[in-house]
Amino acid sequence: SQTIHQWPATLVQPVGSPLSLECTVEGTSNPNLYWYRQAAGRGLQLLFYSVGIGQISSEVPQNLSASRPQDRQFILSSKKLLLSDSGFYLCAWRRHDRPVEYTFGSGTRLTVV
Amino acid sequence: ELKVEQNPLFLSMQEGKNYTIYCNYSTTSDRLYWYRQDPGKSLESLFVLLSNGAVKQEGRLMASLDTKARLSTLHITAAVHDLSATYFCAVPNTGNQFYFGTGTSLTVIP
Repeated sequence: SQTIHQWPATLVQPVGSPLSLECTVEGTSNPNLYWYRQAAGRGLQLLFYSVGIGQISSEVPQNLSASRPQDRQFILSSKKLLLSDSGFYLCAWRRHDRPVEYTFGSGTRLTVV
Repeated sequence: ELKVEQNPLFLSMQEGKNYTIYCNYSTTSDRLYWYRQDPGKSLESLFVLLSNGAVKQEGRLMASLDTKARLSTLHITAAVHDLSATYFCAVPNTGNQFYFGTGTSLTVIP
């Protein structure tokens, strides 16, 4: 069966420090991968999506970047965190050939102080 | 950009009462998803509505989709405390990117 792993679960980082959040999927190949952010008390915003290795699409300009170095690995990064980067970050995947089914990771709570 | 609006944003209701959450979206889509999120947790899939007129029910929740009106509803029947959570609708665009509604925070009061 397919599973999605996201870590860390919580993270407290100072302003100006770098960030790296990782998401991996098991049990499938060539998944579509997504990063979402949920600010406190707000809805979810799509940040990045990827349809294949090295292919990244950005939905909104921001202080973050994403990379997909391997088929089932999706990384969210920042060189210098801002206070406004605080939020709940969710990774999601769906099978490339089955657009109906989306599965979300357990999320990372990021607090920038 | 596809816009998805939910109302109400906040809903406080007594146990045993009925209520409906609305989800409107701005462009054509033949699919719509409903998710539940408990505080600090990830999203749990509730319903996937795949066509105009689709209706799905699970326990005290029932979801429907009207693609012509670009409207989906999530109806709550005889609410119980366990239903307290935030509910999101989500609509995929033609590229299968998800756009979420603003969420409805539901509190069921004993």
